[in-house]
Amino acid sequence: ILNVEQSPQSLHVQEGDSTNFTCSFPSSNFYALHWYRWETAKSPEALFVMTLNGDEKKKGRISATLNTKEGYSYLYIKGSQPEDSATYLCAFTAGGTTDSWGKLQFGAGTQVVVTP
Amino acid sequence: DGGITQSPKYLFRKEGQNVTLSCEQNLNHDAMYWYRQDPGQGLRLIYYSQIVNDFQKGDIAEGYSVSREKKESFPLTVTSAQKNPTAFYLCASSRTGTDEQFFGPGTRLTVL
Repeated sequence: ILNVEQSPQSLHVQEGDSTNFTCSFPSSNFYALHWYRWETAKSPEALFVMTLNGDEKKKGRISATLNTKEGYSYLYIKGSQPEDSATYLCAFTAGGTTDSWGKLQFGAGTQVVVTP
Repeated sequence: DGGITQSPKYLFRKEGQNVTLSCEQNLNHDAMYWYRQDPGQGLRLIYYSQIVNDFQKGDIAEGYSVSREKKESFPLTVTSAQKNPTAFYLCASSRTGTDEQFFGPGTRLTVL
């Protein structure tokens, strides 16, 4: 089982502030890195799928960067709003064989609470 | 509306009984997955299927079984061999094995 770690485990942010958090994953045999947002009482929802070193993706106020050589990705939230409160999950897919495709290894998540 | 449905939302089972969790998708996705979530842990892959009539074990397949007889359906059976089945179970699907995954609402299983 590959080790995907997210930090911090949780963080509290004031409305309007920006924040970021980390996902680290094995740097060898990389295929893709996924980010999901999981709001309470809802299903996880995909934010980004990143495959290339140096990739930067953006969706509204949320953006992500990827460094496959050192094995980390950052997720940024600019000007946090209460609706950004959720658990953010990253997941790593190794390459190599077709059997490994779709086998996401998830981190435990970073829980973000945005207070007004 | 396209999406993934899981039923039931809550399920109670007596120890020693098998139970089957339903997962259906109308997204025309080839790949489907079952995950388990326990408190403080990430989602762990139980089984996945990249195409009809084919499936592979994930990281924690012991005590579980699946079938993929139809593209839209991927039921999970939790057998009596699963030593600690109380958990939250999520089903997901994706267009192919490399695309973003779409998740169902989950089933919370409690063994009494």
